[in-house]
Amino acid sequence: DGGITQSPKYLFRKEGQNVTLSCEQNLNHDAMYWYRQDPGQGLRLIYYSQIVNDFQKGDIAEGYSVSREKKESFPLTVTSAQKNPTAFYLCASSTTAGFLGNQPQHFGDGTRLSIL
Amino acid sequence: SQQGEEDPQALSIQEGENATMNCSYKTSINNLQWYRQNSGRGLVHLILIRSNEREKHSGRLRVTLDTSKKSSSLLITASRAADTASYFCATDSIIQGAQKLVFGQGTRLTINP
Repeated sequence: DGGITQSPKYLFRKEGQNVTLSCEQNLNHDAMYWYRQDPGQGLRLIYYSQIVNDFQKGDIAEGYSVSREKKESFPLTVTSAQKNPTAFYLCASSTTAGFLGNQPQHFGDGTRLSIL
Repeated sequence: SQQGEEDPQALSIQEGENATMNCSYKTSINNLQWYRQNSGRGLVHLILIRSNEREKHSGRLRVTLDTSKKSSSLLITASRAADTASYFCATDSIIQGAQKLVFGQGTRLTINP
């Protein structure tokens, strides 16, 4: 079955540590996204990529970094510069039209990041 | 501020009743989408309605769009316990010159058996 796989489901970060969240899709989508969700809140866009080897900052990119070396993969690194990383992180993908809101986005089941 | 805002923030009803959630937005749109999120899970797309459409159905779901009032509603008929989830609207919006999909803060729906 086609879909998006995020791993790990739970992740703990120590002070000063960088951690990387994995996101893999087999939907053959060009566009991929990372969102942050805080309790009781909506989604805020961290980074997005419309094509391999290209990505753009979203609304809250500070303290995060991404890469897009393969169409299927869009890992997110939460760096030590992100002082409040505790949140639920969601990865999504779509066709290029999905980025513009003309088609749905497809989501993984998220990674919950906490600070030790 | 958010482009889309859902109302109410939380809704609790009895199984079998209908549930109505509303979404208001500020600027003109081309499309509006509704998503469901079960606790601890990702979002699942429900319905996309385009600006030239007024109503759309999918099973027990009915979505309306009133572009003159910049609002949309999601109606779930004959609710079931499995409908318990958060529901988000998402609108396309021009942010800093780029068109993006912007999510509201959601309505938490609880269906009581």
